[in-house]
Amino acid sequence: SAVISQKPSRDICQRGTSLTIQCQVDSQVTMMFWYRQQPGQSLTLIATANQGSEATYESGFVIDKFPISRPNLTFSTLTVSNMSPEDSSIYLCSVDPFGETQYFGPGTRLLVL
Amino acid sequence: AQTVTQSQPEMSVQEAETVTLSCTYDTSENNYYLFWYKQPPSRQMILVIRQEAYKQQNATENRFSVNFQKAAKSFSLKISDSQLGDTAMYFCAFMKHGNYGGATNKLIFGTGTLLAVQP
Repeated sequence: SAVISQKPSRDICQRGTSLTIQCQVDSQVTMMFWYRQQPGQSLTLIATANQGSEATYESGFVIDKFPISRPNLTFSTLTVSNMSPEDSSIYLCSVDPFGETQYFGPGTRLLVL
Repeated sequence: AQTVTQSQPEMSVQEAETVTLSCTYDTSENNYYLFWYKQPPSRQMILVIRQEAYKQQNATENRFSVNFQKAAKSFSLKISDSQLGDTAMYFCAFMKHGNYGGATNKLIFGTGTLLAVQP
């Protein structure tokens, strides 16, 4: 498995601002994933981040709204830009060290007022 | 496109009893993985058990076991000797078998089943 940490664990933000979420893994991994879990809902994949290339976004998610960085094999950031109350969710990163099982970070709980 | 269906939004079980959570899925793929994840109130997503579609033997992890019926596209989770700490949301998930570093290995989640273990 892998040990994954996320910062911040939670935040309360004003609409129109941006928040950057960090994800750190204790081992080098090729692929990192960012998911959104809206209140009372299941998880939806936002994008897949490979080191050294542009992130791949799922339908309904765009880079301008959710820019992602992947500077090395143990770290990634997701920015939620120009936030609105609809962005209030839990954001989770995950990794798949061997291409067969994803392990999740503890999540970042975001509330936008 | 793959879909995962969990038809039980909520379930309840007495401590020390056994409970089964249902999951069905739809796919045209032959090689894939199925998972059960647990999300307690802390919100951490925890892997409970994993099944590889090409394996006929049902996966088992301590008190957790699955009943994998590939032809029926069914993947239920059995929790034996339920404990209070098992109280959580349980998600069934599907992932295509892909080449490492190639396919996105995207997880498709069901809507979840909220399990309450009663003392």
